[in-house]
Parts: sequence; C-alpha cells; structure tokens
Amino acid sequence: EAGVAQSPRYKIIEKRQSVAFWCNPISGHATLYWYQQILGQGPKLLIQFQNNGVVDDSQLPKDRFSAERLKGVDSTLKIQPAKLEDSAVYLCASSLRTNGEQFFGPGTRLTVL
Amino acid sequence: AQKVTQAQTEISVVEKEDVTLDCVYETRDTTYYLFWYKQPPSGELVFLIRRNSFDEQNEISGRYSWNFQKSTSSFNFTITASQVVDSAVYFCALSEARNTGGFKTIFGAGTRLFVKA
Repeated sequence: EAGVAQSPRYKIIEKRQSVAFWCNPISGHATLYWYQQILGQGPKLLIQFQNNGVVDDSQLPKDRFSAERLKGVDSTLKIQPAKLEDSAVYLCASSLRTNGEQFFGPGTRLTVL
Repeated sequence: AQKVTQAQTEISVVEKEDVTLDCVYETRDTTYYLFWYKQPPSGELVFLIRRNSFDEQNEISGRYSWNFQKSTSSFNFTITASQVVDSAVYFCALSEARNTGGFKTIFGAGTRLFVKA
C-alpha cells in the first residue's frame, strides 16, 4: 500500500513570494490533515478535511494561507505572501477515521528568507 | 480544555538502558483516544500505538510498553533495553470529540531521545 505522498520535499523562497504544497493521501482515507511543525515543536493542525469538506481550519492564517481538496483526494496548501515566520515543515497526514491513527507524509521543509 | 504535556524535552541514555517517556493529558471528555508517534531523524512521523479511554490495560509490543492511568491522566511509554535506532523525537497525542462531530487531535511538544552506543 502506497503511503502519503508530498511534494516538493524542500522549498526556499523569499518573503512575500508565494508557494504551494501538494499532498496525495492513502487511497480510501476520507480524512486529510495539514500540519505546521516549527523546529523543536509538535505538529500544529492547520486544516482538516473530511472528504472535500473543511472540518476545522480554526488555526489556519486565512489572510495568507489557503487549502483545497478537490474531489476528496489530493490536496494543495498555498501560502501567499510568505513571511519569515512561515519557515517550518509542512506535514500532510491522512486517516480512515477522525479518531484513528494518522499516516504522515515525509513533509515539505519550507525556508523563507 | 484539551492539552498534552510532555515535560521531558530531551533524554539521553546509554544503549541497553530502559527509558520512560512521560505524557500527561487534559480533557473534558469521557471518550477520547491517546496515541504515541515516533519521528526519526528522517522526519516522517510513524504511528506506534492508539488507546481508547475505556481500555486501561497496559500494552507490550516487543521492547515497547505503554502504561495508561486515568487516575493520573497519564499515558507513559517505556522502551526496554534501548538501542541506537530508538533515537528519535517521540510525540504523545490526544483525540477528543468536537462539538460539531468527529474528533480533533492535538500533539504534545515531543521528547527527543538520544541513545548512545
């Protein structure tokens, strides 16, 4: 069974530029999560999808971050414009149930200069 | 309020020592789920265990064991006879029901474990 795929693995941009991350969850997993992990901290939930609907985006900085999950499968997370404090690893995860174990992708390490 | 505390930021042990990673949680619910994940240097979080709030039976899986105590709101993780490959950051997580349906998961800050040869 293929795991959660993410791309790119690394991205370096300058502040005020835009960036997009892509995630392909495990087949059949209805729930998809985007987390932000700042160095030395635990993952912080940015947005959670159930199929193609948003369940929780309470911690998503909506003035600059957006995410979509078209057709309930792949998802894209965008930052526009990026700030220095957005430097982090962005993790995508998926699960069969919202109270089930989550399967994580390798993450995208973003550096904003 | 939903909260997970991993008070140990870093632990360093010598190979073959036993080590316990602490996790204390807060929740208003009677139904909830607890998890442990491992994040090795490669970066990808790996699921280790899931436990529901009604099952306080301790679990052992090889060199790993978990002690769930509702009376102290703790879900501690012990590695017996640690190995260098156990070096990683370990996260405890709590899933609690949302008012709007489904569950919300929060992670602790993690404990970085160094196992020296």
